[in-house]
Amino acid sequence: AQSVTQPDIHITVSEGASLELRCNYSYGATPYLFWYVQSPGQGLQLLLKYFSGDTLVQGIKGFEAEFKRSQSSFNLRKPSVHWSDAAEYFCAVGRWQAGTALIFGKGTTLSVSS
Amino acid sequence: NAGVMQNPRHLVRRRGQEARLRCSPMKGHSHVYWYRQLPEEGLKFMVYLQKENIIDESGMPKERFSAEFPKEGPSILRIQQVVRGDSAAYFCASSPDRTGTYNEQFFGPGTRLTVL
Repeated sequence: AQSVTQPDIHITVSEGASLELRCNYSYGATPYLFWYVQSPGQGLQLLLKYFSGDTLVQGIKGFEAEFKRSQSSFNLRKPSVHWSDAAEYFCAVGRWQAGTALIFGKGTTLSVSS
Repeated sequence: NAGVMQNPRHLVRRRGQEARLRCSPMKGHSHVYWYRQLPEEGLKFMVYLQKENIIDESGMPKERFSAEFPKEGPSILRIQQVVRGDSAAYFCASSPDRTGTYNEQFFGPGTRLTVL
């Protein structure tokens, strides 16, 4: 079955500390992987995506993610968290073809403490 | 180029009423997707449409829900005889129709439906 698992429902990180959000996927075809961020009451903003090539991808707002095929993982990282990063983060997987539904994880809520 | 637009942003209905959610895709986008986000859950795919055609409705509940994307005007997600369990955020996404490359989905701000 195709699925995305985000093991951590809620994470609290001190401002300035590093962050890693975990994502594992199960997908039958070649996966295209995404991280989205959702601020309260807002829509989803794409942080970064992985299609192929270099397994370390850079995104907006200083985020990066590493694709590890052997572990079926696509973890999101940031070296130094800012208070404005507090939001909900969703990992998603899809296929190349247009019209393919994205499969989302349940999300990880990030809180940032001062 | 305006992003994906959804309206209303918030919608309150009483049980048994109808809810109509509208989505205007980005200019030049011919693919529309609807997703539903229940409380404490991720987004779940509902339906994928192109102009005047439903391509994939595998995620749509079998009853009371319908979607359309007419030749002119926005895409509409219609929920008849709403029940409390329909309370959720409904997101629309659109993507362009470019062959030979991945067609990224751009999401709208969502419509938050509350059923009393």
